[in-house]
Amino acid sequence: QQPVQSPQAVILREGEDAVINCSSSKALYSVHWYRQKHGEAPVFLMILLKGGEQKGHDKISASFNEKKQQSSLYLTASQLSYSGTYFCGTAYNNNDMRFGAGTRLTVKP
Amino acid sequence: EAEVAQSPRYKITEKSQAVAFWCDPISGHATLYWYRQILGQGPELLVQFQDESVVDDSQLPKDRFSAERLKGVDSTLKIQPAELGDSAMYLCASSLGRLAGYNEQFFGPGTRLTVL
Repeated sequence: QQPVQSPQAVILREGEDAVINCSSSKALYSVHWYRQKHGEAPVFLMILLKGGEQKGHDKISASFNEKKQQSSLYLTASQLSYSGTYFCGTAYNNNDMRFGAGTRLTVKP
Repeated sequence: EAEVAQSPRYKITEKSQAVAFWCDPISGHATLYWYRQILGQGPELLVQFQDESVVDDSQLPKDRFSAERLKGVDSTLKIQPAELGDSAMYLCASSLGRLAGYNEQFFGPGTRLTVL
């Protein structure tokens, strides 16, 4: 079952903040975040596991609300290099992960 | 830095023809994934291998698609016959561990398929 991401798209100025949300209707084992720049492959950002374990970039901030089956990715003081499409992936067990439709982030000078 | 290799990078074919894509994961990675990504959408899992075994091919259109990873290393995805709706980016990814819910995936550059 595919997670739901919001917003679908967001436009920022450099230095502004953004939050990207990912939600599921089922209990989650983990949430994964990837960024894909135009014409490139997705790149891993972070995994958040139930129970509080996190794996990924120290400079990326995200939360995982297990009770609400939701995760949020926080992009602060955005830079031009943050532009791209952010995908969340949700896993309902330890071996089944599906990606959402993505949130397109554009950072302008 | 180790990377996932895919070939070809671009493929143009006519409908009803056969096409094949190749993926070489990062050395030592146990799990290999094939995804299809339609423009503007997220990657859709087609098949997941752990070593040489298929662990998930529930989304693979088995009447026309096949995948193999014979020695648990590189992998081939085949479409026969290709249809117009198969035009998409085909991404291969690999992970060191065997559990998709626990491990980060490393993606290759993809094969852009156009079916005319």
